[in-house]
Amino acid sequence: SQTIHQWPATLVQPVGSPLSLECTVEGTSNPNLYWYRQAAGRGLQLLFYSVGIGQISSEVPQNLSASRPQDRQFILSSKKLLLSDSGFYLCAWTRAAGSNQPQHFGDGTRLSIL
Amino acid sequence: GENVEQHPSTLSVQEGDSAVIKCTYSDSASNYFPWYKQELGKRPQLIIDIRSNVGEKKDQRIAVTLNKTAKHFSLHITETQPEDSAVYFCAASKDYKLSFGAGTTVTVRA
Repeated sequence: SQTIHQWPATLVQPVGSPLSLECTVEGTSNPNLYWYRQAAGRGLQLLFYSVGIGQISSEVPQNLSASRPQDRQFILSSKKLLLSDSGFYLCAWTRAAGSNQPQHFGDGTRLSIL
Repeated sequence: GENVEQHPSTLSVQEGDSAVIKCTYSDSASNYFPWYKQELGKRPQLIIDIRSNVGEKKDQRIAVTLNKTAKHFSLHITETQPEDSAVYFCAASKDYKLSFGAGTTVTVRA
């Protein structure tokens, strides 16, 4: 069966510090991978998605970036965090076979910026 | 891009009653419509989904209906129980991307 791992679970960072969140998927090959952000009490905002190694599509212009160095690894980064970057970050995966596939979420990283 | 609107934003029901959440979407090319349940502090979990070639789907106490002509779809929960209390999100899919509604907070009163 397929599993998705995200770490860390919680993170407290000062403004201006760098960020690296990691997501890995097991049990499947060539998944589509996604990063979402969820502000407190709000919906899910798609940040980035990837349909293959090195292929990243950005949905919202911001100071975040994403990379996919390996087939089942997706990394969310920032060089300098802002207060507005606080939130719940969720990684998700789906099978690559067409667009009408369910997305499965990791447990998320709760990021607080001080 | 796709715009998904979800109503109501909050819903309080008596245990045993039914709950209905409605969503509309803007892009007629969207072809897949999942529903997610999110408990406080947890990840969203898929509870049911429907594809554009189907008008209705049921799984025990949960059902989803889709009207492609009107571009709206609905979630129906019957015989609600306290464990149904959560935030529910609808979504519409096009080109590998999901667009989510803003969510409905459902509270089931005992």
